[in-house]
Amino acid sequence: EAEVAQSPRYKITEKSQAVAFWCDPISGHATLYWYRQILGQGPELLVQFQDESVVDDSQLPKDRFSAERLKGVDSTLKIQPAELGDSAMYLCASSLGTGGRTGELFFGEGSRLTVL
Amino acid sequence: QQQVKQSPQSLIVQKGGISIINCAYENTAFDYFPWYQQFPGKGPALLIAIRPDVSEKKEGRFTISFNKSAKQFSLHIMDSQPGDSATYFCAARGAYRGSTLGRLYFGRGTQLTVWP
Repeated sequence: EAEVAQSPRYKITEKSQAVAFWCDPISGHATLYWYRQILGQGPELLVQFQDESVVDDSQLPKDRFSAERLKGVDSTLKIQPAELGDSAMYLCASSLGTGGRTGELFFGEGSRLTVL
Repeated sequence: QQQVKQSPQSLIVQKGGISIINCAYENTAFDYFPWYQQFPGKGPALLIAIRPDVSEKKEGRFTISFNKSAKQFSLHIMDSQPGDSATYFCAARGAYRGSTLGRLYFGRGTQLTVWP
């Protein structure tokens, strides 16, 4: 069964360092999402891509976070510099489209970030 | 602003019992209401979903009840099993074109524990 791949699974870093997360969506999925999940809370959208274009990055802290999906396939989320409050699970999800059955989201296993 | 409100935060049920989790929403611009199941260290996985033109959907031991006029929906787990112990998230998907199309808004989650 096709899956959303994410790496690394775990990342420990010190405050002010740079971190990067990678996501490979299910093949053929045009829509890609990055969500952040703080422990004990539901996922919150950071950025949404349609192919290589950003559809929604209104919740992305752009002073330190950046995301790209250059060829419309895999994606990278970067944080620089990392802050203590960035400790969370970063989830990537993909879907065929955005409506109807094509809008069903499939999540990866996430990248757990701990900032010391 | 929490678009989807979920309760209870935690739930303990005896094996064989019924687990009930409730969600409410304010915004009417949602076209799809999924429930996700998340085990520790894993990404959320789609459990069951419903569209607002349907009042109930059942899949095995899992049932969603949907009340459009009250803007509420709930998940019922019949004959709860220890393997059902996980965190459950309700969500609502944006329906209109623009930045919210396809975007999932999650509740804060319910941690379910089923005792054997």
